[in-house]
Formats: sequence, C-alpha cells, structure tokens
Amino acid sequence: QVQLQESGPGLVKPSETLSLTCTVSGGSIISTTYDWGWIRQPPGKGLEWIGSVYYSGRTYHNPSLKSRVTISVDTSKNQFSLRLTSVTAADTAVYYCAREPGGDWLDYWGQGTLVTVSS
Amino acid sequence: QSALTQPASVSGSPGQSISISCTGTSSDVGSYNLVSWYQQYPGKVPKVMIYEVSKRPSGVSNRFSGSKSGNTASLTISGLQAEDEADYYCCSYAGSRTLVFGGGTKVTVL
Repeated sequence: QVQLQESGPGLVKPSETLSLTCTVSGGSIISTTYDWGWIRQPPGKGLEWIGSVYYSGRTYHNPSLKSRVTISVDTSKNQFSLRLTSVTAADTAVYYCAREPGGDWLDYWGQGTLVTVSS
Repeated sequence: QSALTQPASVSGSPGQSISISCTGTSSDVGSYNLVSWYQQYPGKVPKVMIYEVSKRPSGVSNRFSGSKSGNTASLTISGLQAEDEADYYCCSYAGSRTLVFGGGTKVTVL
C-alpha cells in the first residue's frame, strides 16, 4: 500500500519561501505510470492543484502559480518537493501531496500539512 | 485556467438520488474524458470516488456514478445515506499535464 507523508515548517514569514517535502513509501517514485502532485486547500475553501513532477524531473504547473513554484524530485530518497516563493497570507493552507495515475486523477494522498504565513 | 463551476450546495432526503454538476469549458471538461470526483469530510483527506468520468475505484459504493455531456460532468449519488453528507469536488484534466478543480459542493442529507 502506497503511503505519502508531507513534512516541513508549519509557519513561514511573509515574503519568504515555503518548502515542503513528500516522502513516498510502499512503492517507488520511479514509475512511468504516475506523476506526483501537490494540492492545497486554504482554510474553509476549496482544493487547488499546484503542480506535479514526473520521476525524470519534468514538471507541470498551475499557470496562476507557475512563476513562484518549483517542484523537484529526489529518486534516491523516494521524495519530491515543493518550493513556493514570496508567500503572503493568501498562501496559508493545508498542503497535500498525492499520486497522479496518468497525470489525470489523484488516487493516494498524504495526510496534509497546515502551513500558516504570518510574521 | 479557471476553476470549474459547481453548485455551492445540494440536498436530498435519505433514499433519494441527487446529482452534482461540474461545468467547465472546451479546454478542459469538454475536451477530455478525464474528470474525477472527490469526497471530503471536514478535516479529512479527500477520497477519490470517480475517475475518468465514470470509473469507480475498488471499494467505492456503486451508489456513486459519473457521466459527462459536452462541457458539463455530473456525479450522481443514488440511495442517499447520512454518511454521504460531505463536500464533493470535481477535477478535470486541462491539457499539458495540468489539472483544475471545481469550487466544491456541500451535500446535505435532510
């Protein structure tokens, strides 16, 4: 059974960079079948797809966030990561990582981690 | 890439059937048979209920079904039960390996 777990700081100051890592267990991140994605959900609001990465390192982004987002993969650690620069209070959200079969749906999700942007 | 449009809320009595619509454009829902639906309880992780318009993952009740016509996809819940009360989100492939979500629909069982 594949499991995903997000990790990273729960508090980030405005204008700084949010960094999160997703560790995959129970399966290899090296797969031609899956992309590995990031999704966020501000408190009381809906889901927003941030972007995804293929094991080769190729990345895909939500156009509205693309200029601030970097997604990377470390196959040696079975992890992938998210960096979001120049954060504001609007970036406060629960951040989820998930597996994307074929890049078109999300089957396994992490538990999510709340990141608050505040000074 | 704009969010897909869902009704804010839908309600029904136990045993009834309800449908949730998800309207996109010819660039997302209308172009691909790649719409998925997620159920989310408060404070919990979303769970996929339908993928690729009408496919059900193993373990999902057959009371949940999906369909699509043009730029609009729909999730139907038959034989509504109290445990179906949750938020539901649609999601569509939008080309170039990107995804877009709907705003979410709160389902209330009366």
